Amino acid sequence: AQSVTQPDIHITVSEGASLELRCNYSYGATPYLFWYVQSPGQGLQLLLKYFSGDTLVQGIKGFEAEFKRSQSSFNLRKPSVHWSDAAEYFCAVGSNTDKLIFGTGTRLQVFP
Amino acid sequence: NAGVTQTPKFQVLKTGQSMTLQCAQDMNHNSMYWYRQDPGMGLRLIYYSASEGTTDKGEVPNGYNVSRLNKREFSLRLESAAPSQTSVYFCASSEQHLFYNEQFFGPGTRLTVL
Repeated sequence: AQSVTQPDIHITVSEGASLELRCNYSYGATPYLFWYVQSPGQGLQLLLKYFSGDTLVQGIKGFEAEFKRSQSSFNLRKPSVHWSDAAEYFCAVGSNTDKLIFGTGTRLQVFP
Repeated sequence: NAGVTQTPKFQVLKTGQSMTLQCAQDMNHNSMYWYRQDPGMGLRLIYYSASEGTTDKGEVPNGYNVSRLNKREFSLRLESAAPSQTSVYFCASSEQHLFYNEQFFGPGTRLTVL
């Protein structure tokens, strides 16, 4: 069965520091992978997605993610975090039943 | 465009009461979804409607019913609310029910069942 694991429940970084949020997936075929962000009190917004091709994908708000098949990972990165990036981040995989399988989320806290 | 709208934003119910959560989208999307979000569990799919006139169960359908009223609107009904249904409910829509289609989410309804 498809699954997504986000091993870090909560991450704290200083503003201006680099960020990497981890995501591991379990899927038998080539996965379709997504990162969503949920700002406080808001719904989820798509940051980026990977379907095929270049394994490094660029998203909105300066985020990028790298697909590594050998590690079954799709980690989200940002070179310099801004206070407005404080939010909850969800990794998801598109399943063969056409549903999205979400990870449990990583809450990002940014200190000035 | 408002995108996906949900009403109400907040609701408190007593055990056994019923209520309907409303969702509407103005993007002419074919597919709509209801999720619940609980701490440490991510989002779990309750029901979805791949197209107007169809509805199907998701991962956690027990205690809920849905109605796809028309292409724009998809409602979620709790017939007899239970404390275990305390959660944040999100409605979403996508162009088609295909796993590579982006889903667009509403702002959520925070429901407390006492």
